Amino acid sequence: DAGVTQSPTHLIKTRGQQVTLRCSPISGHKSVSWYQQVLGQGPQFIFQYYEKEERGRGNFPDRFSARQFPNYSSELNVNALLLGDSALYLCASSGIAGGGETQYFGPGTRLLVL
Amino acid sequence: AQKITQTQPGMFVQEKEAVTLDCTYDTSDQSYGLFWYKQPSSGEMIFLIYQGSYDEQNATEGRYSLNFQKARKSANLVISASQLGDSAMYFCAMRFDQTGANNLFFGTGTRLTVIP
Repeated sequence: DAGVTQSPTHLIKTRGQQVTLRCSPISGHKSVSWYQQVLGQGPQFIFQYYEKEERGRGNFPDRFSARQFPNYSSELNVNALLLGDSALYLCASSGIAGGGETQYFGPGTRLLVL
Repeated sequence: AQKITQTQPGMFVQEKEAVTLDCTYDTSDQSYGLFWYKQPSSGEMIFLIYQGSYDEQNATEGRYSLNFQKARKSANLVISASQLGDSAMYFCAMRFDQTGANNLFFGTGTRLTVIP
């Protein structure tokens, strides 16, 4: 079975631009979460979606938004990019929103903002 | 506030030896889950092992075991018979089950280097 997939793998943008990152969960998983990992730190939670509804939001500005589609894939959008948005963006999927489900991560998208 | 602490920025271990990676956490919640993930240089976070706060026995998965000491709020990862492929960053993470969401809080990680 395919794992979590993310696209693109790498991305270079300039300050002020907008970017869209995509994620497809493991087949059968209905929950998708997004994390930002700045170099040298652990991942930080951005959003969780379950059954197309937002279930959780981390401490990120409104420039960050996301959505989940009927097939459970998800997009993360970041507007008005700042240099500090340069990071590895990780997507994780799980079977349910809460409880004892393990999150499985994709390979990530490396975003560089110049 | 919840907090995950990994005090070892880097660790070295001889191939075929065992190594313990430390993780402590701080929470007033009674229900929570503890995870360990491995992150090779490629960037993908690989799930290793899970321990629920109500689990009485320490979790084990192959060469990985989790030394869970609830009273001390520690969840150390033990890797037995280290292999060269174990060289990577290791992250301890915690899920707080009462939030209704499934988000994880991560520590700062420990870089493990296995020496031949």
